[in-house]
Amino acid sequence: GENVEQHPSTLSVQEGDSAVIKCTYSDSASNYFPWYKQELGKRPQLIIDIRSNVGEKKDQRIAVTLNKTAKHFSLHITETQPEDSAVYFCAAFGNQFYFGTGTSLTVIP
Amino acid sequence: ETGVTQTPRHLVMGMTNKKSLKCEQHLGHNAMYWYKQSAKKPLELMFVYNFKEQTENNSVPSRFSPECPNSSHLFLHLHTLQPEDSALYLCASSQDPDRGRSPLHFGNGTRLTVT
Repeated sequence: GENVEQHPSTLSVQEGDSAVIKCTYSDSASNYFPWYKQELGKRPQLIIDIRSNVGEKKDQRIAVTLNKTAKHFSLHITETQPEDSAVYFCAAFGNQFYFGTGTSLTVIP
Repeated sequence: ETGVTQTPRHLVMGMTNKKSLKCEQHLGHNAMYWYKQSAKKPLELMFVYNFKEQTENNSVPSRFSPECPNSSHLFLHLHTLQPEDSALYLCASSQDPDRGRSPLHFGNGTRLTVT
């Protein structure tokens, strides 16, 4: 089956700086890659996704890049704000969703 | 947001108890899922129902028993659980599960503690 690895497990940045979270996957058949944000005590919520026929997608301060050849995809958050502090999960869909172990992001005011 | 609603939010049960978790989705989706979320681990898929039919049972112990009476409701019946079953149980729904065309929409989860 698919194996998704996510790094780093924890990340601290100063407010206004950028944050980058990276994921790798093993199954070349995976074709859909969503990112979820989970605040403490709340549900995981989709923040951005990308399909295998696209290399990059942006939504305001958030962007995702996909390198199919290398089988990795990354989440980029620019101009970070304290409300960006949360756990972020990547996922890859082949025949089902496979999740990374999460990155705990702390934005220091 | 009331897309996917789970009850109860918190549950404490002894190993000999029987309890049920409930999930309801108001998004008109075809598929519903149970996931287990434990610290430092990836989300673990437990069960998938597509149009009320169970399409995935990810080697889950029989002390967890799902029920899906219709496309909008999903239950997880629990009995004789073990302390290692303590976790956050998340329900999710999606529109097109076989092709991965749509993301999962999660509920707030039930925080289960087995004593």
